[in-house]
Amino acid sequence: QVQLVQSGAEVKKPGASVKVSCKASGYTFTGYFMHWVRQAPGQGLEWMGWINPNSGVTNYAQKFQGRVTMTRDTSISTAYMELSRLRSDDTAVYYCAREANNLILVVPFDYWGLGTLVTVSS
Amino acid sequence: EIVLTQSPGTLSLSPGERATLSCRASQSVSSNYLAWYQQKPGQAPRLLIYGASNRATGIPDRFSGSGSGTDFTLTISRLEPEDFAVYYCQQYGSSPRTFGQGTKVEIK
Repeated sequence: QVQLVQSGAEVKKPGASVKVSCKASGYTFTGYFMHWVRQAPGQGLEWMGWINPNSGVTNYAQKFQGRVTMTRDTSISTAYMELSRLRSDDTAVYYCAREANNLILVVPFDYWGLGTLVTVSS
Repeated sequence: EIVLTQSPGTLSLSPGERATLSCRASQSVSSNYLAWYQQKPGQAPRLLIYGASNRATGIPDRFSGSGSGTDFTLTISRLEPEDFAVYYCQQYGSSPRTFGQGTKVEIK
C-alpha cells in the first residue's frame, strides 16, 4: 500500500532553517511528482512547489523562491523540503503529496503524508 | 496566478440533505484540471474529484463534480455524518497550483 511517512515535528527559532523528509513506499518513487503543501493553524492550504524525483527538476511557488529547496534521494525513496530564513508566519503543518503526471493523465495529490508541524518561535 | 473563490464559506445542513459547493476561477482552468479535496480536523486532505468530474479511487458515488472553464461544482447527494468537513477546490492546470479558501460543511 502507498505510504508517505514524514519526519517529526520541529521547533525552530526565527532565521533558522528546517528540513522535512517524506519517505515513500508502496509505489515506484521516480514515477510520480512530489509536491509540498503547507497549512498554517486554522488556515487553508498553500502550495509550495514540486520535485520530479526522476530528474530532480523542481518548480517552486514564487512566494518561496530563494527560501525553499526541494531535493530527493532515490536510493531511499525520500523527498526533502528545506525552508530557510524562517519567520513566525512559517509556523504550519507541512505536507508532502504525490501526483501522477505524464503526457496522458494527471491525477493530483492522491496520497498525502500525515504532515509535519513546524513551529517557529523565539 | 489563478484565484479560486469558493462559496459559500459555510454550509449548514442536516444528514440526508444535498450539498452544493461552488468554486469559481479568475480565469479558465486549463484542461478542466480542477480537483476537490475533503479535510477533517487533524487529518491530511483527501482527494475526492479530479479532472472536474472524475471520482478518485474509493470515493462513494454520492460525491460528484461538474463544471468547466471557470465555474465548477461539487455535489454531495445525501450527506452522511462522516461528510461534515472542510472542502477545498484546487486547480492544477497551470503554475502556481492554487487552492480555494475552503467551504465548511457543518451539521445544522
